[in-house]
Amino acid sequence: ETAVFQTPNYHVTQVGNEVSFNCKQTLGHDTMYWYKQDSKKLLKIMFSYNNKQLIVNETVPRRFSPQSSDKAHLNLRIKSVEPEDSAVYLCASSLDRAAEQFFGPGTRLTVL
Amino acid sequence: GDSVTQTEGLVTLTKGLPVMLNCTYQTTYSPFLFWYVQHLNEAPKLLLKSSTDNKRTEHQGFYATLHKSSSSFHLQKSSVQLSDSALYFCALIRNNRIFFGDGTQLVVKP
Repeated sequence: ETAVFQTPNYHVTQVGNEVSFNCKQTLGHDTMYWYKQDSKKLLKIMFSYNNKQLIVNETVPRRFSPQSSDKAHLNLRIKSVEPEDSAVYLCASSLDRAAEQFFGPGTRLTVL
Repeated sequence: GDSVTQTEGLVTLTKGLPVMLNCTYQTTYSPFLFWYVQHLNEAPKLLLKSSTDNKRTEHQGFYATLHKSSSSFHLQKSSVQLSDSALYFCALIRNNRIFFGDGTQLVVKP
């Protein structure tokens, strides 16, 4: 049963465009995350967001920014996409930062 | 710093054989370890989470034991099935941060 929802499923765009991905969780969790999964299937955490505290992975380029309206929503904006941004972006949530994570189905981004 | 190491990138086995996927970790604190499984074109989902030191945890035929003495949390199954073909990630949570290993692709052949 899906409890972490992501839109869109797929997105194809051109270099330099801005994109935005949405994530919503209905689990009542306090913490949400964004991950990037590249073509080698490596899972790289980008951001975690808990009680309005943002923890950023220092390797994430500045063109990426998370946006949260409340604890059930965490969106991801990419200001000016580049070819290396092509990947699957996975959203996840957990009760707190020490608990298991529940993942959404992902958004596959292709940058031409 | 904290880290998780999965030594095998790819494991290929015939159905019915036992499997062990390695996971070792590095941390100076008391860790929580997890195994996640990701089937093709699906999201990762939790398979197992660690209990106390030297205690085995089991789920869906898979089992793992946290051994603090060797900093390990290897995943095992006594008889793999075709449906076990997937990508398996070991993860460490320490001080409210999560660290994933690079993943092990398990391919089960008939």
